[in-house]
Order: sequence, then C-alpha cells, then structure tokens
Amino acid sequence: DAKTTQPPSMDCAEGRAANLPCNHSTISGNEYVYWYRQIHSQGPQYIIHGLKNNETNEMASLIITEDRKSSTLILPHATLRDTAVYYCIVSRGSGNTGKLIFGQGTTLQVKP
Amino acid sequence: GAGVSQSPRYKVAKRGQDVALRCDPISGHVSLFWYQQALGQGPEFLTYFQNEAQLDKSGLPSDRFFAERPEGSVSTLKIQRTQQEDSAVYLCASSFGTGNQPQHFGDGTRLSIL
Repeated sequence: DAKTTQPPSMDCAEGRAANLPCNHSTISGNEYVYWYRQIHSQGPQYIIHGLKNNETNEMASLIITEDRKSSTLILPHATLRDTAVYYCIVSRGSGNTGKLIFGQGTTLQVKP
Repeated sequence: GAGVSQSPRYKVAKRGQDVALRCDPISGHVSLFWYQQALGQGPEFLTYFQNEAQLDKSGLPSDRFFAERPEGSVSTLKIQRTQQEDSAVYLCASSFGTGNQPQHFGDGTRLSIL
C-alpha cells in the first residue's frame, strides 16, 4: 500500500475551517483515500473516504486532486471536540486484505 | 450497542502469563481486523479475518500471538508467555463487506505487562 505524508501538527481557531493536507504521490489506481481520527484513549474513528471524486458527509469534506497525488480533509467549522490525531491512509479496501497502514498523522489542536 | 465492543478494557498481567482479548464486531460485518498500538504511535496491523477464515496474519509479531474467529463473529486474540514489549493497546475493527467499506474500530484493550 502507498505511503502518505502529513504535517505533524496544525492549529485551528474554533469556528474556523480546518484544512488538513495529505500527500500520497505513489497511490495506485485501485487505492482509496481514507481519513480517520483518534481522540485520546479512544479507537480510531472513520471520517470519510474517496477514490477520485470529491466527497462530503456530515462530518467533513474530502478534496482529491485530479492526479490523485494529494488530498485535503476539510472540517468546515472546527470545535474543541475536533482536537485529535488525524490519519490519512490509502488502501485497496477490505476485499484485498485492505489492512490500514497508519503513519504518524497530524495532531490538530483546535483553540478557543 | 451498535459499535465494536472489546473486553476487557484494561488488562494487567505478569510477564510469562497468557492473556486473551475479546472482540465483538458489529453484527453482520464480514471483515475483522486486529491492530496493535504502542504508546505515541499509530496502530499497526496484526491480522485479518474474512468470516471465519484468517486470510492475513503477516503482522503477528511472533508465534506467541494467535487469533481466531471460529464462527465468523466474535474474535479472540491470545498472547502466550507475555513479555513486557507486548504492552500496548490492542484494537479490533470490523467492516461490512469485502470492498471499500470503512473499518469501524472499538476502543481497544490496554494491556500492561509487569
């Protein structure tokens, strides 16, 4: 599975949009981009995933570049409860023994 | 509940003891994964089941680690002759099918080996 590169940490003001970047320049055609987050002492929480089109759900939006080599997770109105480690992962999915390979992630600190 | 349930939440064992960690996946989920998370690190893959079949155990660190899912639902991760380096959070995840459906995680079992 492809590797991803994320900044180690970011800050965001409460109520503002948080834009978390991810580079995955070696992604292959059948790999999806998944985003998870992990709040202290909890298991990772699924946020969103996509293949090549932009995706939006009740939690976030995922913007994938046309060449699929990078993506951005957008939390439109960050709250203090969004403070967490955010992981960007590329995977072929469970059907291909799609184990998730977690990197170090981005620690997002939402500040009042 | 509707989520992945893991028990016990915390486990303390003496070095050399055997431990068993339980995972109750979301009902109807075909795929089940185990991960190990060391302090300050991201989770690392251990093993994968599709129904009762263990299709990938490439991440198990040694032959002291054994996982099973005999009826394709509940899974148990067993660690024999525990060592201090086994101290970690053990996470279980399940997903509905075998496609790109996301994995849903439990809150893990925190294992401490004294």
